[in-house]
Amino acid sequence: AQTVTQSQPEMSVQEAETVTLSCTYDTSESDYYLFWYKQPPSRQMILVIRQEAYKQQNATENRFSVNFQKAAKSFSLKISDSQLGDAAMYFCAYRRGDNDMRFGAGTRLTVKP
Amino acid sequence: DTGVSQDPRHKITKRGQNVTFRCDPISEHNRLYWYRQTLGQGPEFLTYFQNEAQLEKSRLLSDRFSAERPKGSFSTLEIQRTEQGDSAMYLCASSPDSHSNQPQHFGDGTRLSIL
Repeated sequence: AQTVTQSQPEMSVQEAETVTLSCTYDTSESDYYLFWYKQPPSRQMILVIRQEAYKQQNATENRFSVNFQKAAKSFSLKISDSQLGDAAMYFCAYRRGDNDMRFGAGTRLTVKP
Repeated sequence: DTGVSQDPRHKITKRGQNVTFRCDPISEHNRLYWYRQTLGQGPEFLTYFQNEAQLEKSRLLSDRFSAERPKGSFSTLEIQRTEQGDSAMYLCASSPDSHSNQPQHFGDGTRLSIL
């Protein structure tokens, strides 16, 4: 079974600074997809960024980028120039094919003004 | 694009009662997923549909749980004889067909509280 581990239950960052959230996963597959979702308090989950395992280039979306290390099965999220609106729970997720997604337990990010 | 809609947003009921939740996916999405999320945890997969066909069910989906998507559009999730442990946020998500790299779009969820 595929498992996703987020080892940081909570993280804190100063506004305008950079923070990295960690995620590791366990799989025997070679073709899969990885996602980071953001869940603000009492609001719906929204996609932050995604990565196809067959792509070596790390995905980037504005201030958000990933460090995808396939051999190490690591998929960290870097948030640059952190903003107050980035405060949320962040979930790392794994998906193989058209199957369901497996989520990590989440990291609560606090942004200090 | 009105997004994924879930109803109700909150449900409070007594233990032993039956509850039903509804999910309206994004209109052109053929796949529909149900997840359960408890406090401090990530969503856990329950079941998913490809159009009206229920293709996979998690072991978390006990006999008291049933999901339907009769016309391949909206879906319902029913919990019979609710128990304290059923208290959670129930999330619905949808995605286009056969595009695995496409993200699932989530609704706001239905928060169930069992008294």
